[in-house]
Amino acid sequence: DQQVKQNSPSLSVQEGRISILNCDYTNSMFDYFLWYKKYPAEGPTFLISISSIKDKNEDGRFTVFLNKSAKHLSLHIVPSQPGDSAVYFCAASDKGNYQLIWGAGTKLIIKP
Amino acid sequence: DAGVIQSPRHEVTEMGQEVTLRCKPISGHNSLFWYRQTMMRGLELLIYFNNNVPIDDSGMPEDRFSAKMPNASFSTLKIQPSEPRDSAVYFCASRPGQGFQPQHFGDGTRLSIL
Repeated sequence: DQQVKQNSPSLSVQEGRISILNCDYTNSMFDYFLWYKKYPAEGPTFLISISSIKDKNEDGRFTVFLNKSAKHLSLHIVPSQPGDSAVYFCAASDKGNYQLIWGAGTKLIIKP
Repeated sequence: DAGVIQSPRHEVTEMGQEVTLRCKPISGHNSLFWYRQTMMRGLELLIYFNNNVPIDDSGMPEDRFSAKMPNASFSTLKIQPSEPRDSAVYFCASRPGQGFQPQHFGDGTRLSIL
C-alpha cells in the first residue's frame, strides 16, 4: 500500500521553462512534506519542505504547493536549469514522526 | 560544514563474508537512520537511532543484519553472513532533534555480494 505516490517515473522539460513535479498521498495524518533531489552515485539532498499549516513555501527557484483537500503536493522549479536534471523524491511524515514515507521518485531531464 | 560521511563508498565481497558499513553523522545531530535502496523496493528504512539508542529496528530484514551506535559520532551496519540479495546501496542519514527537521544523507555505500 503506497501512501506516497509519484505517478510520473520521468519528466522532460526544456531549459528555462517551468518544471512541475507531482506527489499524491493517502494518509490524512501526514503533516510534514519534503522534497529531495538525488544525483547518480550521491545521497538524496534535501531541497525544500512544507508543513500542513501552510499551502506554499518558496526558496529561490523552488516552490512547493500543498493542497490538503486533494492530498496533493507539487514542486515547481522556475526557470529550469541543466543542473536540475536528477531524480526527485517526495517524502511525508506525521506529527514530526521520525519515519519518512517515500515516493518512488521522478527522473527530471532538462533539455538544452 | 562536513556532511554525513559513509565508508566505504563501494564494497565488493563474496557471499558468506562479513560486511561492515560505517557512518559518521553530522556533529550535533542526535537522530541517525540507516536505509537501503534497491530498484525493486526503493528507499527502505532499516533502523533508527535516537541519542545512540536503537528506537526502531523493524526494517532490519533478518538476524544477519545488525547495527550499533557506540557514540554520537559513529555507527556501523553489519551483515554476517552476506548473501547476493543484500546487494544494494546503503545510506546513512542524520537529523538534529526531532519534529519538523529534514534528514541529511551521506553518499551511500554501494554493496555487491558475489
